[in-house]
Amino acid sequence: QKEVEQNSGPLSVPEGAIASLNCTYSDRGSQSFFWYRQYSGKSPELIMFIYSNGDKEDGRFTAQLNKASQYVSLLIRDSQPSDSATYLCAVNPRGGYQKVTFGTGTKLQVIP
Amino acid sequence: KAGVTQTPRYLIKTRGQQVTLSCSPISGHRSVSWYQQTPGQGLQFLFEYFSETQRNKGNFPGRFSGRQFSNSRSEMNVSTLELGDSALYLCASSLKASGPETQYFGPGTRLLVL
Repeated sequence: QKEVEQNSGPLSVPEGAIASLNCTYSDRGSQSFFWYRQYSGKSPELIMFIYSNGDKEDGRFTAQLNKASQYVSLLIRDSQPSDSATYLCAVNPRGGYQKVTFGTGTKLQVIP
Repeated sequence: KAGVTQTPRYLIKTRGQQVTLSCSPISGHRSVSWYQQTPGQGLQFLFEYFSETQRNKGNFPGRFSGRQFSNSRSEMNVSTLELGDSALYLCASSLKASGPETQYFGPGTRLLVL
């Protein structure tokens, strides 16, 4: 079992719709969770992080964390063609100075 | 603040050669992590340095090594290059102060091994 799993996609959504990206992780003791966006040929850029159960909203983005079920998701409201990218989920297993493990990413395509 | 910088941006080497990549973190950031990104494997952690000490290491052979200088700049070295080492090498820096460890990535060095 991979430490961090994501559906590779592509996930296609029409412009204006809600895109839902999911990520599961294996280490139940994981402390913090990150979502990065990576455009083709570019380096990852942080969208948001979450470390408490529940929802965290930032503009059109909402991260949802459910530690009991070991999944974290990212919702993108009012999806735009400029949101088309690969979204990487990253998990900090035990907090502190432990290494961050990335999923392989989900490719999102927003259709105009 | 200036972002994370990496040099060189592109590199072509042949099998058996060695290569050194450089990373300058965001000013004030003391932690530098290195990742290898390939289409098939995604982002894989190589190692992390903090205050000139390697604190974490991923599952890569000993041909991959690194170091960090007193000004937090970091270098990674790959010896005896293999074709499979062709990848995008990303460096990320973080403050390592408190709370979730947000990493900021550099533009990467794209290495092609022929």
